[in-house]
Amino acid sequence: ETGVTQTPRHLVMGMTNKKSLKCEQHLGHNAMYWYKQSAKKPLELMFVYNFKEQTENNSVPSRFSPECPNSSHLFLHLHTLQPEDSALYLCASSLRQAAGEKLFFGSGTQLSVL
Amino acid sequence: AQSVAQPEDQVNVAEGNPLTVKCTYSVSGNPYLFWYVQYPNRGLQFLLKYITGDNLVKGSYGFEAEFNKSQTSFHLKKPSALVSDSALYFCAVRDPGGSYIPTFGRGTSLIVHP
Repeated sequence: ETGVTQTPRHLVMGMTNKKSLKCEQHLGHNAMYWYKQSAKKPLELMFVYNFKEQTENNSVPSRFSPECPNSSHLFLHLHTLQPEDSALYLCASSLRQAAGEKLFFGSGTQLSVL
Repeated sequence: AQSVAQPEDQVNVAEGNPLTVKCTYSVSGNPYLFWYVQYPNRGLQFLLKYITGDNLVKGSYGFEAEFNKSQTSFHLKKPSALVSDSALYFCAVRDPGGSYIPTFGRGTSLIVHP
């Protein structure tokens, strides 16, 4: 295991639902990331937090709302999603937000929006 | 701006044969380059990185990659493929003079046939 745990593993939701994705890292890292993975597309960065402060928001629609209460936990709150938001959502962490740092990824949440 | 291209959606190789997964990049300065692997139903795992120094980088599971500055390439290689190497491989680039966030390619599916 990578030390990054994501729950739930699978989520099916309607367009009017509200749900949250959770990520927890046990590595003592200070930077955490949300990525969206769609088939045959580059990994798409969504948000970055460094020491609990959001440092990147990659023009993500407001129906995705991140929360980072501490350096070990990261949430992605979802509401009024669209079918095209169906994808694998990956959480990652790194020791620092620095160019040479490698990322540690969780196994992801497979999201289906009906 | 930084970008990375993985020109092949899929690479097929017979077990025991050498394998190559291609990656080319574009950055304004000297690149930091990474390879990650994703096994089914798992997140991405770090394989190797090039920061500086020897152009041939060795990583996990017998993989290596060669940095070629004149061709702006960072191809992943392994001398003898295993069926268990079948997975999705992602190349990533970071411009140390720019964003700390890596840019990922769209991934290449490696299939090793028995």
